[in-house]
Amino acid sequence: EPEVTQTPSHQVTQMGQEVILRCVPISNHLYFYWYRQILGQKVEFLVSFYNNEISEKSEIFDDQFSVERPDGSNFTLKIRSTKLEDSAMYFCASRAVVLPGELFFGEGSRLTVL
Amino acid sequence: AQSVTQLGSHVSVSEGALVLLRCNYSSSVPPYLFWYVQYPNQGLQLLLKYTTGATLVKGINGFEAEFKKSETSFHLTKPSAHMSDAAEYFCAVSRATKLPAGNKLTFGGGTRVLVKP
Repeated sequence: EPEVTQTPSHQVTQMGQEVILRCVPISNHLYFYWYRQILGQKVEFLVSFYNNEISEKSEIFDDQFSVERPDGSNFTLKIRSTKLEDSAMYFCASRAVVLPGELFFGEGSRLTVL
Repeated sequence: AQSVTQLGSHVSVSEGALVLLRCNYSSSVPPYLFWYVQYPNQGLQLLLKYTTGATLVKGINGFEAEFKKSETSFHLTKPSAHMSDAAEYFCAVSRATKLPAGNKLTFGGGTRVLVKP
């Protein structure tokens, strides 16, 4: 069964460092998303991406964040200068065109900022 | 703006008993509604969804949910709990659109289900 894969599963970084989280969406999906979940809090939307551009982003997704689809398979989330409050589980998701809301999620990348 | 409230962050049920997880939503436009499940160390998996049509929707693993517009609710039920149902369950809402923008999911806080033997 096709699945969304994320790497790394866990990353520990120092405050101020750049982090790149990688995702390989399901191959025939065209919509891509990043969500995050701070420990004990809700799953929060960060950004959606379609046709090589951001289609929607939340207030959380400020200038420190960026997304890219550098090739036909990877979808990345970059945090330029990490803060302590960026520590969270980051989930990538993708969906097919005709299935609204039916997102397929990866297992998440846990980011710990020290 | 849309929001989701899940009543009860933890629910404990006995194996074989009814599972009832409550979800209320707020939306200024017609919503699409979803339940996702998260097993330990895994990503979120779609259980069921309501988009249009029949208000009682059936999902995987014997779960079902009913969309009640008048009550702005989308409660999740399963007649008989199984040990394998122990997980965290998330209710979510999105706008009723297939367009690239405006279709993000807004999640509730989640309800962790514990199943006792």
